[in-house]
Formats: sequence, C-alpha cells, structure tokens
Amino acid sequence: AQTVTQSQPEMSVQEAETVTLSCTYDTSESDYYLFWYKQPPSRQMILVIRQEAYKQQNATENRFSVNFQKAAKSFSLKISDSQLGDAAMYFCAYRPTQGGSEKLVFGKGTKLTVNP
Amino acid sequence: AAGVIQSPRHLIKEKRETATLKCYPIPRHDTVYWYQQGPGQDPQFLISFYEKMQSDKGSIPDRFSAQQFSDYHSELNMSSLELGDSALYFCASRGLPQETQYFGPGTRLLVL
Repeated sequence: AQTVTQSQPEMSVQEAETVTLSCTYDTSESDYYLFWYKQPPSRQMILVIRQEAYKQQNATENRFSVNFQKAAKSFSLKISDSQLGDAAMYFCAYRPTQGGSEKLVFGKGTKLTVNP
Repeated sequence: AAGVIQSPRHLIKEKRETATLKCYPIPRHDTVYWYQQGPGQDPQFLISFYEKMQSDKGSIPDRFSAQQFSDYHSELNMSSLELGDSALYFCASRGLPQETQYFGPGTRLLVL
C-alpha cells in the first residue's frame, strides 16, 4: 500500500523568509501524481501545487516550488518570501495514475507558523 | 470560478440518528470523492463515484451509503450515528482531463 510521510509535525518561519516542508512517499508504481494542499484555520482544503511523476521539471506556482526527487521518493515544498497568510496545515498527497484507485493518500500534515 | 458546494456546512445530531450530507460538484465535473477528517487527523478516503457509478471504496462503515445522481450531485447517508463519526466531511470533484481533486468547504458533523 502506498504511504506518505511528513516527518515535520510543526515548522516555523519568519515573515519574508524561506521555508521547506518535507514529504516522502512509498510506492511501487512508476507513474503517479503528487500534491501539496494547504488547510488554513477555516479548514478549507486548498490546492497549492501539483507534480506529475513523469515530468522531470519541478513544478512552480509563484512563491511555491517543489523539489521532486523520484529515485529518492521525495517531494518537498519550498515557500519563498513567506507571508502571514501562509500559516496553515500543509498536507502532502499521492495519487496513482493507474490501477483503478483515484483516492488521495495524505501524509499526517505539517503545521506551519509564520512569525511577523 | 464556481467551486464545490457542500450542504449543510454544520450539522449536530444525536447518537443513533441519521444524517444526509450533500455535495454539488464543479460544473462539468463527473467524478466525486468523499473524505472524512477527524480532529487533528489527515483526510481519509471514504468512497468515490464516476458517471453515477461507484468507482472506488475506502474505509467507509457499512452504516454509511452514498450515491451520485443524474445531475452529478452526490449524497452521503449516515445512519446509526456514533460519537466517533464526529468529523469534517469533505467532498471533492474532478473533471477530465484534469487530475486535480478540488475540495468543497466541508460539512462539520457533531454527534452528541
């Protein structure tokens, strides 16, 4: 079974600085999708960024970028120029592209605090 | 842009009662997913539907059932509610060729 591990239960960063959240996963599949979702105090699940495993280029969305290391099964999220509104729980999620199941498998989450 | 709509947003029930949660996917999305998130937990997959047919099933109790209707909205029916069913229930939708699941705001269920 696929598993997703986020080894940092909590992280903190100063406003305007950069922080990296870690995520590793375990799968025997060769093709899959990886996601980072943000859950602020409102508890809405908001997509931050998506990576297709067959793409070697790391995904980027404005201040958010990933470091995808397929061989190491690592998928970290870098937040640059951190803002107070970035404070939230961040979930890493995995989804295979084949095999019938489309469910997202989530990590336990990392709570990010942004200090002014 | 239109988002996933869930109703009700909050629900309080007594033990052994029933509850029905509704989900209206983003227009032209044909796949709906249900997740349950307990306090301090990550979301857990319950069940999904594609074109009104069940496409996958996760750790959904037998007391729960769900379906997708002709207009693609979905309902999660929960019977014989237990205290442990108190959680945030998310619906997410997806439309091909996109691979991303977009989440609704969730329904907060409290069982007393």
